[in-house]
Amino acid sequence: QQQVKQSPQSLIVQKGGISIINCAYENTAFDYFPWYQQFPGKGPALLIAIRPDVSEKKEGRFTISFNKSAKQFSLHIMDSQPGDSATYFCAASNVGDQFYFGTGTSLTVIP
Amino acid sequence: DAGVIQSPRHEVTEMGQEVTLRCKPISGHNSLFWYRQTMMRGLELLIYFNNNVPIDDSGMPEDRFSAKMPNASFSTLKIQPSEPRDSAVYFCASRRLAGVANEQFFGPGTRLTVL
Repeated sequence: QQQVKQSPQSLIVQKGGISIINCAYENTAFDYFPWYQQFPGKGPALLIAIRPDVSEKKEGRFTISFNKSAKQFSLHIMDSQPGDSATYFCAASNVGDQFYFGTGTSLTVIP
Repeated sequence: DAGVIQSPRHEVTEMGQEVTLRCKPISGHNSLFWYRQTMMRGLELLIYFNNNVPIDDSGMPEDRFSAKMPNASFSTLKIQPSEPRDSAVYFCASRRLAGVANEQFFGPGTRLTVL
């Protein structure tokens, strides 16, 4: 059973637009929800993460919105830039346990 | 800090050959993960270790795959014999188990091609 479901698989956004990627999880015991960014030829790198005691976390142009009752969380990229073009993975875990990754979203920002 | 180090970065081999991938985690990290990434299956966890002890190897595809962590600063993933369907990018990641810290740091990956 897939623990984390991610959508869309791919996303094309105009420069300056808002990119939104959604994830849903199954296990209500998860208490850590990171987003990883991966550029071609590179390993994934942590972009931003949230814990379930808050509903939103913002770091610059990147925001995680978290809905505990719906078991959903999303990544919003404001003022999207061509340099944001990458693959984004959501994940969920218990602290100290393995990560359950989503299937990834390929984001392309058109100049 | 040098980050997670993986070697080789690229490996091309023929079907049936033994392949050994190597990983040096970040100093002070005591949890290590091996992942495989393909277009079809995305990012898959193969096995992970806490304090050099394998915790979950349920993601290892079959007996042809084996992983070891003889000490806190080195791990290997071995495929014997290799098959074309093993072609993928293999990532190693490490983490420090302490309190609420949970970030995994990924290496640059090893691109494996089995002909």
